Amino acid sequence: ETGVTQTPRHLVMGMTNKKSLKCEQHLGHNAMYWYKQSAKKPLELMFVYNFKEQTENNSVPSRFSPECPNSSHLFLHLHTLQPEDSALYLCASSHGTSESYEQYFGPGTRLTVT
Amino acid sequence: RKEVEQDPGPFNVPEGATVAFNCTYSNSASQSFFWYRQDCRKEPKLLMSVYSSGNEDGRFTAQLNRASQYISLLIRDSKLSDSATYLCVVNKAWDSNYQLIWGAGTKLIIKP
Repeated sequence: ETGVTQTPRHLVMGMTNKKSLKCEQHLGHNAMYWYKQSAKKPLELMFVYNFKEQTENNSVPSRFSPECPNSSHLFLHLHTLQPEDSALYLCASSHGTSESYEQYFGPGTRLTVT
Repeated sequence: RKEVEQDPGPFNVPEGATVAFNCTYSNSASQSFFWYRQDCRKEPKLLMSVYSSGNEDGRFTAQLNRASQYISLLIRDSKLSDSATYLCVVNKAWDSNYQLIWGAGTKLIIKP
Protein backbone atom coordinates (compact mmCIF):
# COMPACT_ATOMS: atom_id res chain seq x y z
CA GLU A 1 0.00 0.00 0.00
CA THR A 2 1.39 3.43 -0.87
CA GLY A 3 -1.39 5.72 0.44
CA VAL A 4 1.08 7.63 2.61
CA THR A 5 4.74 7.73 1.66
CA GLN A 6 7.68 9.05 3.62
CA THR A 7 11.25 9.81 2.62
CA PRO A 8 13.88 9.09 3.57
CA ARG A 9 13.17 5.79 5.33
CA HIS A 10 16.40 6.03 7.32
CA LEU A 11 18.44 9.08 8.26
CA VAL A 12 21.62 9.51 10.26
CA MET A 13 22.58 13.06 11.06
CA GLY A 14 24.95 14.93 13.27
CA MET A 15 23.81 17.45 15.82
CA THR A 16 24.85 20.37 13.66
CA ASN A 17 23.20 19.16 10.45
CA LYS A 18 20.02 20.42 8.84
CA LYS A 19 17.77 17.89 7.18
CA SER A 20 14.13 17.55 6.16
CA LEU A 21 11.65 14.69 6.31
CA LYS A 22 9.01 14.49 3.62
CA CYS A 23 5.54 12.99 3.72
CA GLU A 24 3.06 12.69 0.87
CA GLN A 25 -0.45 11.30 0.98
CA HIS A 26 -2.38 10.10 -2.06
CA LEU A 27 -5.71 9.57 -0.30
CA GLY A 28 -7.35 12.96 -0.78
CA HIS A 29 -7.27 13.63 2.96
CA ASN A 30 -7.40 17.08 4.51
CA ALA A 31 -5.54 16.47 7.76
CA MET A 32 -1.93 15.46 8.25
CA TYR A 33 0.06 14.67 11.39
CA TRP A 34 3.60 14.19 12.61
CA TYR A 35 4.21 11.68 15.40
CA LYS A 36 7.36 10.63 17.23
CA GLN A 37 7.71 7.01 18.35
CA SER A 38 10.56 6.16 20.70
CA ALA A 39 11.35 2.60 21.72
CA LYS A 40 8.83 1.15 24.17
CA LYS A 41 7.05 4.51 24.47
CA PRO A 42 3.66 5.63 23.21
CA LEU A 43 3.30 7.58 20.01
CA GLU A 44 3.69 11.28 20.74
CA LEU A 45 1.68 13.67 18.62
CA MET A 46 3.88 16.54 17.46
CA PHE A 47 1.93 18.58 14.93
CA VAL A 48 -1.48 18.59 13.27
CA TYR A 49 -2.39 20.31 10.02
CA ASN A 50 -5.95 20.66 8.77
CA PHE A 51 -6.48 22.14 5.31
CA LYS A 52 -2.83 23.28 5.34
CA GLU A 53 -3.27 25.21 8.59
CA GLN A 54 -1.40 24.14 11.71
CA THR A 55 -3.96 23.41 14.39
CA GLU A 56 -1.85 21.68 17.00
CA ASN A 57 1.70 22.03 18.28
CA ASN A 58 2.28 19.79 21.25
CA SER A 59 5.02 21.86 22.89
CA VAL A 60 7.55 20.59 20.40
CA PRO A 61 11.04 22.16 20.58
CA SER A 62 11.77 24.73 17.92
CA ARG A 63 14.53 22.55 16.46
CA PHE A 64 11.60 20.77 14.76
CA SER A 65 9.88 22.96 12.20
CA PRO A 66 6.89 21.67 10.20
CA GLU A 67 5.76 22.90 6.82
CA CYS A 68 2.59 22.05 4.94
CA PRO A 69 2.54 23.62 1.46
CA ASN A 70 -0.67 21.82 0.47
CA SER A 71 -3.02 19.15 1.78
CA SER A 72 -0.97 16.37 0.19
CA HIS A 73 2.49 17.25 1.43
CA LEU A 74 4.01 17.67 4.85
CA PHE A 75 7.60 18.35 5.79
CA LEU A 76 9.49 18.27 9.04
CA HIS A 77 12.61 20.41 9.00
CA LEU A 78 15.28 19.39 11.49
CA HIS A 79 18.21 21.42 12.80
CA THR A 80 20.60 21.16 15.73
CA LEU A 81 18.97 18.00 16.99
CA GLN A 82 19.97 16.14 20.14
CA PRO A 83 20.73 12.41 20.51
CA GLU A 84 17.46 11.97 22.45
CA ASP A 85 15.63 13.01 19.28
CA SER A 86 16.58 9.67 17.73
CA ALA A 87 13.29 7.88 17.07
CA LEU A 88 10.85 6.74 14.41
CA TYR A 89 9.00 9.72 12.93
CA LEU A 90 5.63 8.80 11.56
CA CYS A 91 3.43 10.83 9.29
CA ALA A 92 -0.31 10.17 9.18
CA SER A 93 -3.32 11.54 7.35
CA SER A 94 -7.09 11.41 7.78
CA HIS A 95 -10.19 12.79 6.11
CA GLY A 96 -10.60 15.36 8.87
CA THR A 97 -9.47 15.99 12.39
CA SER A 98 -12.40 14.43 14.20
CA GLU A 99 -11.33 11.51 16.33
CA SER A 100 -13.81 9.34 14.47
CA TYR A 101 -11.67 9.42 11.34
CA GLU A 102 -9.17 6.62 10.91
CA GLN A 103 -5.59 7.78 10.64
CA TYR A 104 -3.47 6.23 7.93
CA PHE A 105 0.22 6.09 8.62
CA GLY A 106 3.28 6.21 6.42
CA PRO A 107 6.12 3.71 6.96
CA GLY A 108 8.09 6.23 9.00
CA THR A 109 11.59 7.67 8.94
CA ARG A 110 14.00 6.08 11.39
CA LEU A 111 16.20 8.92 12.57
CA THR A 112 19.50 8.54 14.38
CA VAL A 113 21.20 11.63 15.75
CA THR A 114 24.90 11.18 16.43
CA ARG B 1 -1.10 7.70 36.38
CA LYS B 2 -0.54 7.40 32.61
CA GLU B 3 -3.37 8.64 30.42
CA VAL B 4 -3.52 5.33 28.60
CA GLU B 5 -1.93 2.29 30.17
CA GLN B 6 -1.25 -1.15 28.70
CA ASP B 7 0.59 -4.23 29.85
CA PRO B 8 3.66 -4.25 27.59
CA GLY B 9 3.83 -8.05 27.52
CA PRO B 10 5.03 -9.94 25.67
CA PHE B 11 2.14 -12.35 25.72
CA ASN B 12 3.41 -15.70 24.42
CA VAL B 13 0.42 -17.69 23.21
CA PRO B 14 0.17 -21.01 21.33
CA GLU B 15 -1.51 -20.95 17.94
CA GLY B 16 -5.23 -21.57 18.20
CA ALA B 17 -5.55 -20.24 21.73
CA THR B 18 -7.66 -17.32 22.89
CA VAL B 19 -5.90 -14.28 24.25
CA ALA B 20 -7.23 -11.10 25.83
CA PHE B 21 -5.65 -7.91 26.97
CA ASN B 22 -6.89 -4.74 28.57
CA CYS B 23 -6.12 -1.08 28.38
CA THR B 24 -7.03 1.46 31.06
CA TYR B 25 -7.58 5.16 30.48
CA SER B 26 -7.62 8.04 32.92
CA ASN B 27 -10.07 10.53 31.40
CA SER B 28 -13.65 9.58 32.19
CA ALA B 29 -14.88 12.02 29.52
CA SER B 30 -13.20 10.15 26.65
CA GLN B 31 -15.67 9.14 23.97
CA SER B 32 -13.71 7.41 21.23
CA PHE B 33 -11.62 4.28 21.55
CA PHE B 34 -9.61 2.29 19.07
CA TRP B 35 -7.31 -0.67 18.75
CA TYR B 36 -4.45 -0.31 16.27
CA ARG B 37 -2.04 -3.02 15.28
CA GLN B 38 1.64 -2.42 14.61
CA ASP B 39 3.83 -5.10 13.07
CA CYS B 40 7.53 -5.13 13.80
CA ARG B 41 9.24 -2.14 12.15
CA LYS B 42 6.02 -1.17 10.38
CA GLU B 43 3.50 1.60 10.82
CA PRO B 44 0.34 1.32 12.97
CA LYS B 45 -2.89 0.31 11.23
CA LEU B 46 -6.43 0.52 12.53
CA LEU B 47 -7.68 -2.86 13.73
CA MET B 48 -11.07 -1.78 15.03
CA SER B 49 -12.98 0.99 16.70
CA VAL B 50 -14.54 0.18 20.08
CA TYR B 51 -18.22 0.93 20.51
CA SER B 52 -20.17 1.30 23.73
CA SER B 53 -22.09 -1.90 23.18
CA GLY B 54 -19.01 -3.88 22.27
CA ASN B 55 -18.26 -5.06 18.77
CA GLU B 56 -16.94 -8.06 16.95
CA ASP B 57 -15.02 -8.42 13.72
CA GLY B 58 -14.35 -12.03 12.86
CA ARG B 59 -12.05 -13.47 15.51
CA PHE B 60 -11.64 -10.12 17.25
CA THR B 61 -13.96 -8.74 19.93
CA ALA B 62 -13.61 -5.34 21.56
CA GLN B 63 -15.35 -4.32 24.76
CA LEU B 64 -15.67 -1.02 26.60
CA ASN B 65 -16.21 -0.75 30.34
CA ARG B 66 -16.88 2.90 31.15
CA ALA B 67 -17.40 2.36 34.87
CA SER B 68 -13.93 0.89 35.28
CA GLN B 69 -12.44 2.92 32.43
CA TYR B 70 -10.92 0.13 30.42
CA ILE B 71 -11.24 -1.39 27.00
CA SER B 72 -10.38 -4.93 26.09
CA LEU B 73 -9.44 -6.89 23.00
CA LEU B 74 -10.14 -10.60 22.68
CA ILE B 75 -8.60 -12.69 19.92
CA ARG B 76 -10.01 -16.14 19.34
CA ASP B 77 -8.35 -19.00 17.45
CA SER B 78 -5.12 -17.03 17.24
CA LYS B 79 -2.99 -17.26 14.11
CA LEU B 80 0.74 -16.85 13.65
CA SER B 81 -0.04 -13.71 11.66
CA ASP B 82 -1.65 -12.15 14.74
CA SER B 83 1.83 -11.63 16.19
CA ALA B 84 2.20 -7.87 16.51
CA THR B 85 2.00 -5.04 19.00
CA TYR B 86 -1.54 -3.91 19.78
CA LEU B 87 -1.95 -0.22 20.53
CA CYS B 88 -4.82 1.16 22.56
CA VAL B 89 -5.92 4.67 21.51
CA VAL B 90 -8.26 7.01 23.35
CA ASN B 91 -9.36 10.51 22.45
CA LYS B 92 -8.54 13.43 24.73
CA ALA B 93 -12.04 14.73 25.00
CA TRP B 94 -11.61 17.77 27.18
CA ASP B 95 -9.02 19.52 25.09
CA SER B 96 -9.50 19.11 21.36
CA ASN B 97 -11.49 16.61 19.47
CA TYR B 98 -8.59 15.35 17.42
CA GLN B 99 -6.08 14.72 20.16
CA LEU B 100 -5.60 10.97 20.30
CA ILE B 101 -3.66 9.52 23.21
CA TRP B 102 -1.77 6.33 22.43
CA GLY B 103 -0.80 3.52 24.75
CA ALA B 104 2.72 2.09 24.49
CA GLY B 105 1.31 -1.17 23.20
CA THR B 106 1.02 -4.82 24.18
CA LYS B 107 3.29 -7.20 22.33
CA LEU B 108 1.71 -10.49 21.28
CA ILE B 109 3.73 -13.47 20.06
CA ILE B 110 1.83 -16.44 18.66
CA LYS B 111 3.87 -19.65 18.70
CA PRO B 112 3.31 -22.68 16.47
